[in-house]
Amino acid sequence: GAVVSQHPSWVICKSGTSVKIECRSLDFQATTMFWYRQFPKQSLMLMATSNEGSKATYEQGVEKDKFLINHASLTLSTLTVTSAHPEDSSFYICSARDLYGAGYTFGSGTRLTVV
Amino acid sequence: AQSVTQLGSHVSVSEGALVLLRCNYSSSVPPYLFWYVQYPNQGLQLLLKYTSAATLVKGINGFEAEFKKSETSFHLTKPSAHMSDAAEYFCAVSDQGNNDMRFGAGTRLTVKP
Repeated sequence: GAVVSQHPSWVICKSGTSVKIECRSLDFQATTMFWYRQFPKQSLMLMATSNEGSKATYEQGVEKDKFLINHASLTLSTLTVTSAHPEDSSFYICSARDLYGAGYTFGSGTRLTVV
Repeated sequence: AQSVTQLGSHVSVSEGALVLLRCNYSSSVPPYLFWYVQYPNQGLQLLLKYTSAATLVKGINGFEAEFKKSETSFHLTKPSAHMSDAAEYFCAVSDQGNNDMRFGAGTRLTVKP
């Protein structure tokens, strides 16, 4: 079955630094990838939709200059949290949709802690 | 716009009892509906999905869900709960163009011995 690899699974960084999270589709090509954020004991909130070769579409209230998304190839999308602050600490999850739109596959998530 | 509402943030059942997790959807177009399970600090695992074929959908681990258009519901059931079913369950909706997926608030299932 389709597999999405997300790295790192957890990261601790200092306030003010930037962190990059990778989302890779291992055995299929993903024209569209989605980035979600999940606070403890809460649901997943869609942050942005990224399409290969074009700019990401951000949900209302999500700062595009803070959460930089790059989808340079059909198998890789990255989310960079710039100038991270403690309030950015959260669980970030990506998902990928294949070329034929047959379904979504989720990564295993990244727990970001900003200290 | 599409959305789902999960009734009950926490459901507790005894081992061997029926599991019923409720989900109602709102969609201006025919929806695709999904149920996912999440264990602590892990990603999401797809249990089952409705994509406009059979209204009764069977998934993994003995779960099933029935799409009822008249009730705009997609409730998840399992005849007999196992301890390993204890987790967070999310209902989600997308349109049939497979655009972005929207999640419900989640229901935490506790299984008592």
